[in-house]
Amino acid sequence: EVQLVESGGGLVQPGGSLRLSCAASEFTFSTYSMNWVRQAPGKGLEWLSYISGSSSTIYYADSVKGRFTISRDNAKNSLYLQMNSLRAEDTAVYYCARDTFFSTGGGPFDPWGQGTLVTVSS
Amino acid sequence: DIQMTQSPSTLSASVGDRVTITCRASQSLTSWLAWYQQKPGKAPKLLISDASSLESGVPSRFSGSGSGTEFTLTISSLQPDDFATYYCQQYKIYWTFGQGTKVEIK
Repeated sequence: EVQLVESGGGLVQPGGSLRLSCAASEFTFSTYSMNWVRQAPGKGLEWLSYISGSSSTIYYADSVKGRFTISRDNAKNSLYLQMNSLRAEDTAVYYCARDTFFSTGGGPFDPWGQGTLVTVSS
Repeated sequence: DIQMTQSPSTLSASVGDRVTITCRASQSLTSWLAWYQQKPGKAPKLLISDASSLESGVPSRFSGSGSGTEFTLTISSLQPDDFATYYCQQYKIYWTFGQGTKVEIK
């Protein structure tokens, strides 16, 4: 079964940094684009960032551009999100999600990981 | 940016009811639209892609329709397992989600 497992969430002070990881299994990781999506408590879903299978194409939402960095290590079947200059409004559950469009990317997301909670507070 | 607007925000319904959720886009998506179901404390689950293509394993009581800027998700006969929040998502230009529609028990 295709599986995504996030880790790295926790409590961080405003202005601090955190690195999220997403471990992928049971599919050829390097052939799929990946995404990060977040959900603030009681709110809707917000797409944050996209990375192609080869890491050659990367996109960010305006809300995190310049503060967050997406990356991947295909040898380790892992996706990452480096989050710097964190703000209270970044408090959310962060999900990694696989793009459904094999090789090309740009499609809807399936599956999703279970999410990891990031809390930004002093 | 493409904006997505769902209606209603909350929907109260009974088991067996026919339920329709609408999603409108600020510009044409052709058919690049997906629907997700999310239950409390769980990750979203993809139900429908390309506006009307049912994902494998999704019950046939779910259906999607529409193109351009207006889309609908219909549940033909609401079941107890269907009480959840539903999101539309455009993937024409980057990705944007609607604000969600919570389907609750009447």
